[in-house]
Amino acid sequence: DTAVSQTPKYLVTQMGNDKSIKCEQNLGHDTMYWYKQDSKKFLKIMFSYNNKELIINETVPNRFSPKSPDKAHLNLHINSLELGDSAVYFCASSQFEGEGNEQFFGPGTRLTVL
Amino acid sequence: QKEVEQNSGPLSVPEGAIASLNCTYSDRVSQSFFWYRQYSGKSPELIMSIYSNGDKEDGRFTAQLNKASQYVSLLIRDSQPSDSATYLCAVPSYSGGYQKVTFGTGTKLQVIP
Repeated sequence: DTAVSQTPKYLVTQMGNDKSIKCEQNLGHDTMYWYKQDSKKFLKIMFSYNNKELIINETVPNRFSPKSPDKAHLNLHINSLELGDSAVYFCASSQFEGEGNEQFFGPGTRLTVL
Repeated sequence: QKEVEQNSGPLSVPEGAIASLNCTYSDRVSQSFFWYRQYSGKSPELIMSIYSNGDKEDGRFTAQLNKASQYVSLLIRDSQPSDSATYLCAVPSYSGGYQKVTFGTGTKLQVIP
């Protein structure tokens, strides 16, 4: 069984379009994350949700809007896509237990904006 | 100043050698440290975690932590070509009671047969 799944795996779209990426985890974790990994492989956190509540919101353009309908799902909607949004987006989850909680990553969504 | 720093490499070692990967961090209050491995085109996966000063061994992997020097390293003994990947150092910090993990830029390891 897939622990953290994302759809789609690849997304190619034109500048200015709006797109969504979906994430689901079946690990029973209470915290989910979105990360962006750019062409230089730098993995940077964008958002984190704990039990459907937004707890981390890094400096991300407001064109990016996360939504967590329940603690097993965290979706990312991106409006007015720009060339610089091209990257791999990873969803991850963990169980918040204070220190030392491992994050489990999804397979990633490679977004290419043309 | 970056919060978590790693040498981007590539670090090339011959098969069977010891690969040594280093990481420094700036948050003095950090208590836990992680090493993730990321194969090309894949997602990161946790391979080691360490919380106390000293060494922690798991198979061919040894993590070393020195909190006074704000330094954590990963040693891979008897390196294999399958170890070729990018290794990410990850350091949690806490804000408002919640954990935020900061990743280093990763060190690319190449094990040459």
